[in-house]
Amino acid sequence: AQSVSQHNHHVILSEAASLELGCNYSYGGTVNLFWYVQYPGQHLQLLLKYFSGDPLVKGIKGFEAEFIKSKFSFNLRKPSVQWSDTAEYFCAVNAFSGGYNKLIFGAGTRLAVHP
Amino acid sequence: EAQVTQNPRYLITVTGKKLTVTCSQNMNHEYMSWYRQDPGLGLRQIYYSMNVEVTDKGDVPEGYKVSRKEKRNFPLILESPSPNQTSLYFCASRDRAGANVLTFGAGSRLTVL
Repeated sequence: AQSVSQHNHHVILSEAASLELGCNYSYGGTVNLFWYVQYPGQHLQLLLKYFSGDPLVKGIKGFEAEFIKSKFSFNLRKPSVQWSDTAEYFCAVNAFSGGYNKLIFGAGTRLAVHP
Repeated sequence: EAQVTQNPRYLITVTGKKLTVTCSQNMNHEYMSWYRQDPGLGLRQIYYSMNVEVTDKGDVPEGYKVSRKEKRNFPLILESPSPNQTSLYFCASRDRAGANVLTFGAGSRLTVL
């Protein structure tokens, strides 16, 4: 069965620190990959997505993610975090198989950025 | 404004008292889905609907029902709520050509006592 693993459940950083959140998935076929962000008390919003082409994708607010097919990974990065990046981040994978596709979410990583 | 609207946003109820959480989207999306979000478990799909009158179970359908009589509405029904259904619920939608990018509602926090 397809699954998505996010390695860190909680991350605490100081402002201006660099961020990398890990995401690995288990599925050998065609995938679409997503990172969603949930700010405190708000709904999920799309941060960035990968469908095909350049494996390094850039999203909103300075975030980027790199798809490494050989490692089944789609890690999220940001060179310098801000206090306003405090949120929960969800990696999601859409696996395609015989006309059926399903979006599977990871458990989430809660990021706290201290001023 | 394109959006997914859920109601109620907050609800406290008691075990066994039937409730419905409504979901409506104004984007003419074919696909709609319900998720529950629990700490450490991420989002888990309850039910989804590929189109009107077509619904399917997700990963955690037990204790829930849905209906899709109209394209814009996808209510979630808890016939006999239990405390283990205390959770944060999200409705989401996308169109068939939307490349699987979901638009989420604001969430409905349900507490079952």
